[in-house]
Amino acid sequence: DGGITQSPKYLFRKEGQNVTLSCEQNLNHDAMYWYRQDPGQGLRLIYYSQIVNDFQKGDIAEGYSVSREKKESFPLTVTSAQKNPTAFYLCASSIPPRSGEQFFGPGTRLTVL
Amino acid sequence: GENVEQHPSTLSVQEGDSAVIKCTYSDSASNYFPWYKQELGKGPQLIIDIRSNVGEKKDQRIAVTLNKTAKHFSLHITETQPEDSAVYFCAASRYNQGGKLIFGQGTELSVKP
Repeated sequence: DGGITQSPKYLFRKEGQNVTLSCEQNLNHDAMYWYRQDPGQGLRLIYYSQIVNDFQKGDIAEGYSVSREKKESFPLTVTSAQKNPTAFYLCASSIPPRSGEQFFGPGTRLTVL
Repeated sequence: GENVEQHPSTLSVQEGDSAVIKCTYSDSASNYFPWYKQELGKGPQLIIDIRSNVGEKKDQRIAVTLNKTAKHFSLHITETQPEDSAVYFCAASRYNQGGKLIFGQGTELSVKP
């Protein structure tokens, strides 16, 4: 069963703690993306990676970090430097440049207590 | 910077009526325009997309039109059903440049039985 998985679905953390969100895909896609979604708003790009061991900042990268050591995996770390981390986080993957279509995972809802 | 404006933010229609959602984009080099449907608590799913070399595309009850001169594209849903109720997002990208999508703010569609 191919697709993108994100874990956990719900995540709670205390202020000042770093937390890592998991994203795995078995679609053999080259590119992977992390988006943040706030209530009533569109998706904003945090980081993206077009190939293993390479990634670029998106529009709102401050307070976040990523790694891309394997093609299948693109974990996102929300650091204590991120001022408003409570949000819904979405991971996506695609095969550029042949197709612009991005496939999304089910998301992780992070709440900072 | 690049921007996509989406209207309306909320839309309520009677079952069986048509629904139209409109988007405008700022980057004249954009050449790929997908539409996503997002149900509550889930990741967005692609429902239809259009590339800049065509003006219209249809898939059963869903159609998308593109006016490159005006930098405007629209989603049309005919014979709406209660299961069409969701948040719809438009997006734009240059698909030959890494697939970075710029999203609109979303439209919450409610179809009343």
